Amino acid sequence: DAGITQSPRYKITETGRQVTLMCHQTWSHSYMFWYRQDLGHGLRLIYYSAAADITDKGEVSDGYVVSRSKTENFPLTLESATRSQTSVYFCASSSGLVLGAFFGQGTRLTVV
Amino acid sequence: KNEVEQSPQNLTAQEGEFITINCSYSVGISALHWLQQHPGGGIVSLFMLSSGKKKHGRLIATINIQEKHSSLHITASHPRDSAVYICAVAGWTGNQFYFGTGTSLTVIP
Repeated sequence: DAGITQSPRYKITETGRQVTLMCHQTWSHSYMFWYRQDLGHGLRLIYYSAAADITDKGEVSDGYVVSRSKTENFPLTLESATRSQTSVYFCASSSGLVLGAFFGQGTRLTVV
Repeated sequence: KNEVEQSPQNLTAQEGEFITINCSYSVGISALHWLQQHPGGGIVSLFMLSSGKKKHGRLIATINIQEKHSSLHITASHPRDSAVYICAVAGWTGNQFYFGTGTSLTVIP
């Protein structure tokens, strides 16, 4: 199916564990983005990628790592999860440098 | 500091009413976006504006670059319009994206 999909939709993990959130898009959009959404803060950019092998930090990148070896995939890794990383994470993609014309359904991550 | 401020934070309207949501921003922008987030959490991009006005169905978005202000209007509101509406602005580099905290709209039949 065409679109942008995130997995898993829900995840509970323990403090200190490494967690990877997956994002896959089928449009061959060059730009992909990761955001987190928290009450009182709205959406905040974590990382974005302009093309395969090109990534750049956003406002809240500390504690996160991304990679983009293929255009269609943009995984987000929490190297050592902390409770402050409990959030809803959204992946998005677009053909141009806009904030993301198409959003995934989100991943709700809880760090206990 | 918040680069993007929205008002009101919460809005309840009767079906059929004309609705306005406001967005003010404090940074230079290349574009402004309006997003809709449904109760299930999915986010849909409604408009991208760099000047003037855009219309899509019952939704109208305007922007005044000099005033650093945008409005989203919904005409003849319907319960299915109930959602959170988010204003976001994009700066001139790839990592300059700022979001408002959203306006929660409830339309009562």
